[in-house]
Amino acid sequence: DGGITQSPKYLFRKEGQNVTLSCEQNLNHDAMYWYRQDPGQGLRLIYYSQIVNDFQKGDIAEGYSVSREKKESFPLTVTSAQKNPTAFYLCASSINFMNTEAFFGQGTRLTVV
Amino acid sequence: SQQGEEDPQALSIQEGENATMNCSYKTSINNLQWYRQNSGRGLVHLILIRSNEREKHSGRLRVTLDTSKKSSSLLITASRAADTASYFCATTGTASKLTFGTGTRLQVTL
Repeated sequence: DGGITQSPKYLFRKEGQNVTLSCEQNLNHDAMYWYRQDPGQGLRLIYYSQIVNDFQKGDIAEGYSVSREKKESFPLTVTSAQKNPTAFYLCASSINFMNTEAFFGQGTRLTVV
Repeated sequence: SQQGEEDPQALSIQEGENATMNCSYKTSINNLQWYRQNSGRGLVHLILIRSNEREKHSGRLRVTLDTSKKSSSLLITASRAADTASYFCATTGTASKLTFGTGTRLQVTL
């Protein structure tokens, strides 16, 4: 089945620890995105990648880091510098960066205690 | 920053009624898309309308776009309980980022 997979679905971490969220797609899409969603809110763009080995900061990149070493993978690391990391994280991909629909994973709910 | 704002924030209707949601945005766009999100899940793409289009249909969905007013509307006709979800508009502009609005929570009751 083609699609975009996020893992794990739920993640708990202690304050001060870095944590990496996985996002894999087998759709052969060039573009990938990470969004953060807080309760009752819209999606805010953290990082995006137009093509392998390239990525750009979104609107709320502080405290996060990404890599895009392979076309199918775009992991997000939530670092200890992120002041309020508890949120629902969504990964998406699209054929290219312009004018095409995005396909979303099912999300990872991160809780930092 | 959020490009779009949906209105209303929440909408409650009965099954069979039509639901209309509006989206306003701030800057020039290449296209506007509507997505649906069931609680605690990922988003699902519904429809894309390009900046040179004014209206588009897909099944029970009708989307309009008015670039002069920087606004779009999503109409769901003959709503069903299964349409209960949050609906988001998203825009792609000159910066090519896909930017989402704040969403409308739709509740369809039997």
